[in-house]
Amino acid sequence: EAGVTQSPTHLIKTRGQQATLRCSPISGHTSVYWYQQALGLGLQFLLWYDEGEERNRGNFPPRFSGRQFPNYSSELNVNALELEDSALYLCASSYSHDLQGEAFFGQGTRLTVV
Amino acid sequence: AQKVTQAQTEISVVEKEDVTLDCVYETRDTTYYLFWYKQPPSGELVFLIRRNSFDEQNEISGRYSWNFQKSTSSFNFTITASQVVDSAVYFCALSEEGAQKLVFGQGTRLTINP
Repeated sequence: EAGVTQSPTHLIKTRGQQATLRCSPISGHTSVYWYQQALGLGLQFLLWYDEGEERNRGNFPPRFSGRQFPNYSSELNVNALELEDSALYLCASSYSHDLQGEAFFGQGTRLTVV
Repeated sequence: AQKVTQAQTEISVVEKEDVTLDCVYETRDTTYYLFWYKQPPSGELVFLIRRNSFDEQNEISGRYSWNFQKSTSSFNFTITASQVVDSAVYFCALSEEGAQKLVFGQGTRLTINP
C-alpha cells in the first residue's frame, strides 16, 4: 500500500512568487494535515483538512492557504513568498479527523526561497 | 497552553550503549495524548508510539521502551543496545483532546557511532 506522497520533493522559488505543494494521502484516509519544519523553529502545525473543508489552522498568515479535493488529496499554497518560508513542508494523513490516532507522514517538500 | 520540551538538542553515543531521550510536556487538560516520532535523513516522520494520559504503564517494543510519569510530566524514550540505524532526529509530541493537531518538541538529534 502506498504511503503519503508529496510532490515536488524540492522546490526553489524567488521571493514574492507563489509556491504550490501537493499531497496524496493514504488510500482511505480523509484527513490531511500540513506542518512546517523551519530551521530553528521546529515542527509547527499549519493546516488541517477533513472531508474537503479546512477544519483548523495554526498561527500562520493568510498567504498560507490550501484546499482538499474530492479524492482527499490536498494542495498547500504559499503566496508572496518570503525568505523565512524556506522550510521542509510535511503532510500527514489519518483515517479520521481525530489525530489522536496514528498519523502517517510523507517525506516532505523542501521549499527554498531565494 | 500546550508545550513540549526536549532539552537535549544532540546526543552522541557509541554503538551498543543505552541512551535515553527526555521529554517534558505542559498541558492544562486531563485528557491528552503523547507521541514519539523518528525522523531519518530522508525526512519523513515515522510513528513510534502513542500513549493516552490515563495509561501510565511503561511500554517496551524490542530495544525501545517508554517511561510515562504524570507526576513529573515526562515521557522519556530509551533505546537499549543502540545501533547505527537508530541515528535520526527524534520528536516528542502532544495532542490535547479534540485539538486535532500535534505540538512537537524541538527534537533531539541522536548519533550512534560505530
